[in-house]
Amino acid sequence: DAKTTQPTSMDCAEGRAANLPCNHSTISGNEYVYWYRQIHSQGPQYIIHGLKNNETNEMASLIITEDRKSSTLILPHATLRDTAVYYCIVRSRDTDKLIFGTGTRLQVFP
Amino acid sequence: DADVTQTPRNRITKTGKRIMLECSQTKGHDRMYWYRQDPGLGLRLIYYSFDVKDINKGEISDGYSVSRQAQAKFSLSLESAIPNQTALYFCATSDWSSGSHEQYFGPGTRLTVT
Repeated sequence: DAKTTQPTSMDCAEGRAANLPCNHSTISGNEYVYWYRQIHSQGPQYIIHGLKNNETNEMASLIITEDRKSSTLILPHATLRDTAVYYCIVRSRDTDKLIFGTGTRLQVFP
Repeated sequence: DADVTQTPRNRITKTGKRIMLECSQTKGHDRMYWYRQDPGLGLRLIYYSFDVKDINKGEISDGYSVSRQAQAKFSLSLESAIPNQTALYFCATSDWSSGSHEQYFGPGTRLTVT
């Protein structure tokens, strides 16, 4: 599975959009980009995933560059409850394995 | 996620003791997983199970064993606990039979080995 690089930490004001970047320059053609988050030692929570096209669900949007070497998770209106560690994970759909790095710690402030 | 439960939620045990962590799910998912998380680090896969008769080692299986007693239950055992097994342990499930490969995590068990 391809390796990902994320900033260690980010801040965001409540109500503003939080844009979390992820680099995955060695991603291969059959690998998807997944995002999970972990709120203060709770179990990780699935957010969204995508292959090539941009994706949106009730939680977030995922923007993947045309060359697929990077992506951005967008929380459109961040709230204090979005404070968490966000993990960007690249994996093939054929494998069970989720390889968690150290993620980005997002702090949403009032 | 209330559909995936773990017991106990917290446990303190002594070096050399045998301990079992239990995971139950009501989601009807076929696959189940055990992960551990050390402070400041991401999760690492210990074991995973495709179904009741199919168990697979993850990246850090040494010192652990598992049992898939039923589709809904997956237990993790530490035969002889040691202090460096002090960690947060998570169980997860996924529904491969439907084509949905997202994993859903339980609330975690905080284990301390003294």
